[in-house]
Amino acid sequence: QEHLVQSGGGLVEPGGSLRLSCAASGFRFGDYHMSWIRQAPGKGLEWVSYLSLTGATTYYAASVRGRFTVSRDNAQNSVYLQMNNLRADDTAVYYCARALYSGVLQNWFHPWGQGTLVTVSS
Amino acid sequence: EIVLTQSPATLSLSPGDRATLSCRASRDVRTDLAWYQQKPGQPPRLLIYDASNRATGTPARFSGSGSGTDFTLSISSLEPEDFALYYCQQRASWPPLTFGGGTKVEIK
Repeated sequence: QEHLVQSGGGLVEPGGSLRLSCAASGFRFGDYHMSWIRQAPGKGLEWVSYLSLTGATTYYAASVRGRFTVSRDNAQNSVYLQMNNLRADDTAVYYCARALYSGVLQNWFHPWGQGTLVTVSS
Repeated sequence: EIVLTQSPATLSLSPGDRATLSCRASRDVRTDLAWYQQKPGQPPRLLIYDASNRATGTPARFSGSGSGTDFTLSISSLEPEDFALYYCQQRASWPPLTFGGGTKVEIK
């Protein structure tokens, strides 16, 4: 079965840093594009970043560009989100998500990780 | 950035009713639109992609239609497990990928 299991997250002060991890199992990780999506408490979904098969191409939402960095380690079947200079409005549940089909870039998300809460507060 | 507007914000219906959810795009997205279902405390689940294709495991009572700027998710006869939040998402023009604000289907 295809799974994404997330770790990291927690409480961090404004200006601090945090690294989220997402470990894949049940499929050939290196064949899939990956994304991060977040959801502020009680709010809707916001796409955060995209990462290509090899990690050579990345895209970010304007709200996080220059502060967040997405990366992957295909040997470890994992994708990461390094978040620096965190702000209160970054408080959200963060999800990693896989592209629906391998190879071709289609940006439909399935499956999703279980989500991890990041709280930015002093 | 393409803005997706979902309506209504809340739909109050009874089990067995038909549900019709709308998603309108600020400009043409062809059929590059998906629908997700989210239940409390769970990640979203892909229901429909390419406007009308059911994802694996999506029951046949769910159907998607539309193209261009106007899209509909229909649930032919609501089951108790269908009461949830629903989001549309476009991929036609990105970055950024964008989601609608969501429609909550609640029990009347």
